[in-house]
Amino acid sequence: EIVMTQSPATLSVSPGERATLSCRASQSVSSNLAWYQQKPGQAPRLLIYGASTRATGIPARFSGSGSGTEFTLTISSLQSEDFAVYYCQQYNNWPPEVTFGPGTKVDIK
Amino acid sequence: EVQLVESGGGLVQPGRSLRLSCTASGFTFGDYAMSWVRQAPGKGLEWVGFIRSKAYGGTTEYAASVKGRFTISRDDSKSIAYLQMNSLKTEDTAVYYCTRDLYSSGWSEYFQHWGQGTLVTVSS
Repeated sequence: EIVMTQSPATLSVSPGERATLSCRASQSVSSNLAWYQQKPGQAPRLLIYGASTRATGIPARFSGSGSGTEFTLTISSLQSEDFAVYYCQQYNNWPPEVTFGPGTKVDIK
Repeated sequence: EVQLVESGGGLVQPGRSLRLSCTASGFTFGDYAMSWVRQAPGKGLEWVGFIRSKAYGGTTEYAASVKGRFTISRDDSKSIAYLQMNSLKTEDTAVYYCTRDLYSSGWSEYFQHWGQGTLVTVSS
């Protein structure tokens, strides 16, 4: 099973500042990686897929990069609505599996 | 607009069974793989499994933690996906989300659409 790790567990950021979240895979997942945002009491929302493609309706301040085992989600200028938990997720076609990282909580500094 | 509505959650004793339903609308249900993802209270996301579209055989794949106990099925005529959960354990307590993939492929890749979730509590 491919294990996903995320760092840091919690990131304290002031509004308007840049946030950089990291995700690491225990083995190469190529670019088969997505990022999700989850706010309390809500379902997750797809932000980035294919490691760097923004999903429909996602603001340009969200960007993803990386391939293989190291990935980054960058929020260029944090808005109040961006304070949430962010999960990375990989998929593998064979054997079929999907795994999520443990999440990074972005809170207000 | 794509909508996914889960139902069937509730309180169940360990060892018993429960069936969740996911009623879909706003897209051609039969074209997409459908997945289930769960989230234990205060914890992260865990993939449960998925069912391919009929075009890809309608077969299923499961996480190791539920394989042999959970079964995913689908009724394309009603646009409903099911999650049959047997031999439930306390550690199965979670909000269960139904999801639809970004692509109409035969794989569970990226979860673009999510339901609101239904809470399953396994406790005596």
